[in-house]
Amino acid sequence: SAVISQKPSRDICQRGTSLTIQCQVDSQVTMMFWYRQQPGQSLTLIATANQGSEATYESGFVIDKFPISRPNLTFSTLTVSNMSPEDSSIYLCSGGRLDTGELFFGEGSRLTVL
Amino acid sequence: GENVEQHPSTLSVQEGDSAVIKCTYSDSASNYFPWYKQELGKRPQLIIDIRSNVGEKKDQRIAVTLNKTAKHFSLHITETQPEDSAVYFCAASKYPQGAQKLVFGQGTRLTINP
Repeated sequence: SAVISQKPSRDICQRGTSLTIQCQVDSQVTMMFWYRQQPGQSLTLIATANQGSEATYESGFVIDKFPISRPNLTFSTLTVSNMSPEDSSIYLCSGGRLDTGELFFGEGSRLTVL
Repeated sequence: GENVEQHPSTLSVQEGDSAVIKCTYSDSASNYFPWYKQELGKRPQLIIDIRSNVGEKKDQRIAVTLNKTAKHFSLHITETQPEDSAVYFCAASKYPQGAQKLVFGQGTRLTINP
């Protein structure tokens, strides 16, 4: 497997504020992704974090709302901007091994927006 | 794009019986099919995967089958135990062309009754 560390594990935020989630992966990981899991729902891919360049966003997700950085191979951040209660969700960092195709997940960051 | 359908959404079985969860996918180019187990409040854990060049794979009490022609794959759990209670997700991707972008099914909540 791979080690994926994510923080914060949970936070309660006020409407209109922004929060940055950090993710650290081990060296076995080459690809990094951010997923969202709304309460009781499945996992939806937000974007692929690209090292040293702009992230690649999936349909329905935009950079202004979810800016992502990946300054080096093993670290990435996701910011949830100008939050509203609809952004209350679990945000999951994931890392993939290019040699096997396996994808592993961090513990998740549970955000509650009031 | 790829669409993964998963059934049933909930499944309840007696301890010791078998459980089967089924998924269908739409993109015939998909070639990697992992299954994840997510316990309450925990991260999704990769439990088994299968690639398109294989029809069946087993790991102790867990097995996965793949029918490429019909574009469906299934998870089989035998001799179920209480610790098998969790939400299970199937997923599909095009590896390596799809750079491990997984599309997930809707999830199945499996309950093992003692």
